[in-house]
Amino acid sequence: DTEVTQTPKHLVMGMTNKKSLKCEQHMGHRAMYWYKQKAKKPPELMFVYSYEKLSINESVPSRFSPECPNSSLLNLHLHALQPEDSALYLCASQNTEAFFGQGTRLTVV
Amino acid sequence: SQKIEQNSEALNIQEGKTATLTCNYTNYSPAYLQWYRQDPGRGPVFLLLIRENEKEKRKERLKVTFDTTLKQSLFHITASQPADSATYLCALKGLGGGSNYKLTFGKGTLLTVNP
Repeated sequence: DTEVTQTPKHLVMGMTNKKSLKCEQHMGHRAMYWYKQKAKKPPELMFVYSYEKLSINESVPSRFSPECPNSSLLNLHLHALQPEDSALYLCASQNTEAFFGQGTRLTVV
Repeated sequence: SQKIEQNSEALNIQEGKTATLTCNYTNYSPAYLQWYRQDPGRGPVFLLLIRENEKEKRKERLKVTFDTTLKQSLFHITASQPADSATYLCALKGLGGGSNYKLTFGKGTLLTVNP
């Protein structure tokens, strides 16, 4: 199974809402990532979890809160987002190469 | 500062020709370099990885070269097809320490293969 599954595929939320993005992988990879991608730009690293511990936070605002409940799951909790946070959010797991999910298209209204 | 540059934002070629995409980097000592394909609205898909001690890697119609002296990788698609149209991203991972887990992408080249 070389699949990374992200839910939901699309999300529209207001600036006062709280929502969560979910990511699941069953490849046994111990490194999992959250990326943010704006239109016509490359994926931009947000967080890295290694062995279920947060190892890299790329100075992401606290309105984004990652969580790694176990080695297969990665969540991104969203609260009080801004319209400029609208983007494609990608989860990836990695051994050597990275396997990406299909992404969550997030729109903040 | 560290940079990954893909020299063309867009490349248009005729079906059947060879597409050549370039990735240059500065202030990296990469253990390996990777190439990904991304279609609109979808996550990147891994294509090829080439290690620092390898000069060339092939997979079907794809070929990657890696010149650590020039700090450059070339990505070739031979006998290109319209279905090859996509954005192609190169990516680097650093050596050791915290950067070992940090995969950074170039801006990508949008390839369009015209029938």
